[in-house]
Amino acid sequence: GAVVSQHPSRVICKSGTSVKIECRSLDFQATTMFWYRQFPKQSLMLMATSNEGSKATYEQGVEKDKFLINHASLTLSTLTVTSAHPEDSSFYICSAGDLERAKNIQYFGAGTRLSVL
Amino acid sequence: AQSVTQLGSHVSVSEGALVLLRCNYSSSVPPYLFWYVQYPNQGLQLLLKYTTGATLVKGINGFEAEFKKSETSFHLTKPSAHMSDAAEYFCAVSVYPNFGNEKLTFGTGTRLTIIP
Repeated sequence: GAVVSQHPSRVICKSGTSVKIECRSLDFQATTMFWYRQFPKQSLMLMATSNEGSKATYEQGVEKDKFLINHASLTLSTLTVTSAHPEDSSFYICSAGDLERAKNIQYFGAGTRLSVL
Repeated sequence: AQSVTQLGSHVSVSEGALVLLRCNYSSSVPPYLFWYVQYPNQGLQLLLKYTTGATLVKGINGFEAEFKKSETSFHLTKPSAHMSDAAEYFCAVSVYPNFGNEKLTFGTGTRLTIIP
């Protein structure tokens, strides 16, 4: 099946630094990728929809200047958490849709656990 | 707006017993429904999905779910639980089909524990 690679799987950083998370579709092209945030023992909350070649669409309450999203190619989207603070610590998951092979299915990355000290 | 309610944040069943995870949805238009499984520190894997057509949907690992419009439900079942089924299960709904690019609304998840 389609594979979505997310890197890094875990990152620990100091407060005030920026962290970049990559999401790659390895064997298919994804015009749209999604970024989710998951708090412990809770569900996934959609943060933004990342469209290749255009600006991301952010969900209500998500700071676009805090969570910068870039989708420069059909196989790569990045999420940058700028000036990270402890409250940004969370599990971040990306997903991508495979237009060619599987309609109405999103494939998920393995997630990135961010810990801000 | 659509929503999903998963009844029971924790479900425990004995190995070999029936697994039943409940999901109810709310939507003003015909929904697309999904079940995903998440193993510890991993992303989500699609178990099965309902879009149109047959209301009983079969997925991977022996799981199946039945779409019941009158009950607005999409419960997940498996006849015989296996130890490897222990994981977190998420029900999700989408109402804007866009060939894999629609936004999903997730339930709060159900943690399934299998008792040896």
